[in-house]
Amino acid sequence: RKEVEQDPGPFNVPEGATVAFNCTYSNSASQSFFWYRQDCRKEPKLLMSVYSSGNEDGRFTAQLNRASQYISLLIRDSKLSDSATYLCVVQGNDMRFGAGTRLTVKP
Amino acid sequence: GAVVSQHPSWVICKSGTSVKIECRSLDFQATTMFWYRQFPKQSLMLMATSNEGSKATYEQGVEKDKFLINHASLTLSTLTVTSAHPEDSSFYICSAPTSGSYTDTQYFGPGTRLTVL
Repeated sequence: RKEVEQDPGPFNVPEGATVAFNCTYSNSASQSFFWYRQDCRKEPKLLMSVYSSGNEDGRFTAQLNRASQYISLLIRDSKLSDSATYLCVVQGNDMRFGAGTRLTVKP
Repeated sequence: GAVVSQHPSWVICKSGTSVKIECRSLDFQATTMFWYRQFPKQSLMLMATSNEGSKATYEQGVEKDKFLINHASLTLSTLTVTSAHPEDSSFYICSAPTSGSYTDTQYFGPGTRLTVL
């Protein structure tokens, strides 16, 4: 089993749609959780951290369920510029990336 | 925010040559830097942890004699791919935390795309 697993995707959605990504992790000792965005052939960029209480940043909402070892990212009112690969990242003694979920937002 | 640079951004080389990739933290000191490799359509994979003033620590399955890491100063780590072969063609990315802690937010370099002919 992979240490960090994400929805395989790809997700193709129209502008304005709401889309949700899921991620599970296997190491219960993991301490920090993040969502990164990676554009094609570019380095990952931090989108947001994920806290147990849930956190929101504009159209983006992240949730963490430690009991289920599950992380989610919700994007509301999708924009064309949201098209990218979204990486779930889990940090404990090291840093593990999910394989990423490709999102394409279409006009 | 913190800035990490990499050089070169892309390189094409012949099989058997060695390639050096530099990773610099531009506005902060990084006692620790991390090197990753990403094959097409795959996730980033941690290769090694670069430690200033001491030996790098390598992930299982990464050959330390093939991927030489030197963390010569608090702002520079280099990765040398020795005797590169086509299967080494990949996207190499470095990252550094501003605090030196692995649990801190990582700032990524722009990556180096290596193509070995």
